[in-house]
Amino acid sequence: QLQLQESGPGLVKPSETLSLTCSVSGGSISSTNYYWGWIRQPPGKGLEWILSTYHSGSTYYNPSLQSRVTISMDTSKNQFSLKLSSVTAADTAVYYCARHQELVSSPFDYWGQGTLVTVSS
Amino acid sequence: VLTQSPSASASLGASVKLTCTLSSGHSRYAIAWHQQQPEKGPRYLMKVKSDGSHNKGDGIPDRFSGASSGSERYLTISSLQSEDEADYYCQTWDSGIQIFGGGTKVTVL
Repeated sequence: QLQLQESGPGLVKPSETLSLTCSVSGGSISSTNYYWGWIRQPPGKGLEWILSTYHSGSTYYNPSLQSRVTISMDTSKNQFSLKLSSVTAADTAVYYCARHQELVSSPFDYWGQGTLVTVSS
Repeated sequence: VLTQSPSASASLGASVKLTCTLSSGHSRYAIAWHQQQPEKGPRYLMKVKSDGSHNKGDGIPDRFSGASSGSERYLTISSLQSEDEADYYCQTWDSGIQIFGGGTKVTVL
């Protein structure tokens, strides 16, 4: 059974960089045909897609966040990581990692449990 | 691109039908339904195509079914149980861009 687990600091100061890692078990992030994604959810609000990425480096971004996000993959650790720079209180959210069912034109079919990141001084 | 009613309710044991409406130009797109129980992460329920065919995620009960009509995609939950009280989100995709609807909060009376 595929499992995803987010990890990272729960508190980040304004203007700093948020860094999160998604650890995957029960499957390989290097598998062909699977894209992997990050999604966030501000408290009390809906889901907002951040990006979707493939082990080859192909990545699709939410245009509203693209200038501030960086994605990396560590296939040896079966992890992929998100960095979001110049954070403000508006970036306070639960951050989820997830896997696409197939290539990028498909739903997210496995989700992590999420990790809350609060931006505050 | 995706429009959902903010809330829906039905009695325990009854059925509820949720709607996700695609905007013009996207009326033939497939969508996915996700369930988010309180204080939990989303769970994939199913993908629904424009022809109404749907394939469910692992372990999703038969009480959950999908359908389509024109630009509308539906999720019907039959024999409502208390654990079905949750937020339900639809998702679609267009040229790599992922889009979520605003979500529907289902209350079991």
